[in-house]
Amino acid sequence: DTGVSQDPRHKITKRGQNVTFRCDPISEHNRLYWYRQTLGQGPEFLTYFQNEAQLEKSRLLSDRFSAERPKGSFSTLEIQRTEQGDSAMYLCASSFAGQNYGYTFGSGTRLTVV
Amino acid sequence: AQKITQTQPGMFVQEKEAVTLDCTYDTSDPSYGLFWYKQPSSGEMIFLIYQGSYDQQNATEGRYSLNFQKARKSANLVISASQLGDSAMYFCAYRSFGNEKLTFGTGTRLTIIP
Repeated sequence: DTGVSQDPRHKITKRGQNVTFRCDPISEHNRLYWYRQTLGQGPEFLTYFQNEAQLEKSRLLSDRFSAERPKGSFSTLEIQRTEQGDSAMYLCASSFAGQNYGYTFGSGTRLTVV
Repeated sequence: AQKITQTQPGMFVQEKEAVTLDCTYDTSDPSYGLFWYKQPSSGEMIFLIYQGSYDQQNATEGRYSLNFQKARKSANLVISASQLGDSAMYFCAYRSFGNEKLTFGTGTRLTIIP
């Protein structure tokens, strides 16, 4: 297993367009997390899944954001009607339930809204 | 809400010297974990070290050690014998047991000078 994979690595989109990002976690990990990181800040929690169930969503996740993990494997994060304030790095991480040490992060998708 | 404070926005250290990156946290939770991550320019968050609040000894992982002072609510990262490849952003993070959300500090940019 090569770790957590995210696609695409970079995305430039026009304001108002919809975008979708994909995350493939480590195969044996049953938990998957999405974080957002803006310039000069640490990552901020958006949401997490255990298997296919979305168990927690941050207030940062507005109605324009939706995340899915349909079969408990890969996940998608969709942003509808993008705004310039959505420009950020979107990081995915995975872990095994019960582990107390660090999650494994992917390399992120950098979104630029123009 | 928990707050993580990293007071050093940037540090410059001579190669082969030891460096301490500061992290303080504010919590009333009885059980929690503290994490350090490294983020190189590629964007990936790399897990370095973990300290549980009930751990009796300070955590160590190779050249990384965590100076945990529970009463002072500090969890400083010590890197011994720094290398050029240590140049990166370093983030301290907190997680309360029973909560899946990691709360990150704003990070410290470490630059190793040859």
